[in-house]
Formats: sequence, C-alpha cells, structure tokens
Amino acid sequence: KNEVEQSPQNLTAQEGEFITINCSYSVGISALHWLQQHPGGGIVSLFMLSSGKKKHGRLIATINIQEKHSSLHITASHPRDSAVYICAVGVTSYDKVIFGPGTSLSVIP
Amino acid sequence: KAGVTQTPRYLIKTRGQQVTLSCSPISGHRSVSWYQQTPGQGLQFLFEYFSETQRNKGNFPGRFSGRQFSNSRSEMNVSTLELGDSALYLCASSLQFSLAGISNEQFFGPGTRLTVL
Repeated sequence: KNEVEQSPQNLTAQEGEFITINCSYSVGISALHWLQQHPGGGIVSLFMLSSGKKKHGRLIATINIQEKHSSLHITASHPRDSAVYICAVGVTSYDKVIFGPGTSLSVIP
Repeated sequence: KAGVTQTPRYLIKTRGQQVTLSCSPISGHRSVSWYQQTPGQGLQFLFEYFSETQRNKGNFPGRFSGRQFSNSRSEMNVSTLELGDSALYLCASSLQFSLAGISNEQFFGPGTRLTVL
C-alpha cells in the first residue's frame, strides 16, 4: 500500500462544476502540500496545511489529522483549472517528503 | 522578482555519460531542493541544500549528487547515466530549509527534461 494515495486518478468535469480531490496518507506528518502541475511541467504550490482549512480564491483545502485525510475543492471550475493536482506530505519520522501519484483534472467548456 | 531558473531545459545523453543540471533560486532564497519526476514513480525527492550544506537526502544511489554555491545557485550531477534516469528534474527554492522535507512555501522552476538513450 502506498503511503500517500489520491482519488480519483483522473477526473473530467464540466465548466462550473464543484470538484473534490482527495488525499489519504498512512504516516505521521508535519504538514501537507497541494501542488498544481500544468502541461509542460511547471509546478505551483497551492497550499500548505498542518490543520484545519485554507481558502484562496476558488480553491479550498482541508485536512483532518486524526483521519489522515485531506481534500482539495475547486468551486466554479474553469478550463484553466485543467492540470495535475499532487498532494505531498512532510514525514517527521524520517525527515522526508512523499508525493501522491497525482489527480489529472480536465475541465471541459 | 525573477523566478527559479533551470538550465538546460532539455538534454539528451547516452548511457554511461554524466550530466550536470543547474538551478538558480529566487533572489534571497537560501534553500534549494531537487526532485525527479517520472511517469512510473511520480515525483520523488532527491536532496535539499541550505547555506551550501546538504540538509536532507532522498533514497537515490550515490550516482546522484549535488552542491550549492555561496550565491545559493545549485547544481546536481548524475554520473554513469542509465535509461531509467530519463525524467523531468525539478528544483524548487524557498527562504528557509524544510524541517521534514517540505517547506513553508516553495517556488518551482520549469524543470530540465533529461532523455537518456
């Protein structure tokens, strides 16, 4: 079992839809990152969370430390949101970062 | 403020050769991390440098090495290239070093796409 899992693996949505991407992990963490990677490779850091919830524009990220689960929500999705979304966790026990496999999102006009 | 730059952007090498990739962080950033991304393994942490010292290292063989200069620019080197080293190599810079491999805010470069034939 992978230490960091994401679901769904692929997601196609119509413009305007509410989107949820999930990340589950099995290790103790210090923080969790949500990253966005556009075609061509460029990565943007969206959020870093250690508890609770953060919001930036149409993006909302939540984390439940007890359940070892985080969600990334996109409200009123737009074609420019089409990208791969990657969750990454900082593992305190061995001072490393582990990345999830990514969720590929395609938003259709 | 200029972003993180990586050179070269694309590189083709043959098995057995060695390669050096360069990363220039955002001005004022002292931490540089390197990552490898492949279709099979996804993103994997290679190492992190802060103030010219390697602070953290991922599970990669000794063929992968790096260094950081006094101006915070960093290079990574891969010796005796193998086909499996074909990947997108990304670097990211941040103001401070990470406590557990993940820092407060990292800014990623565009990556160097290495193809090993």
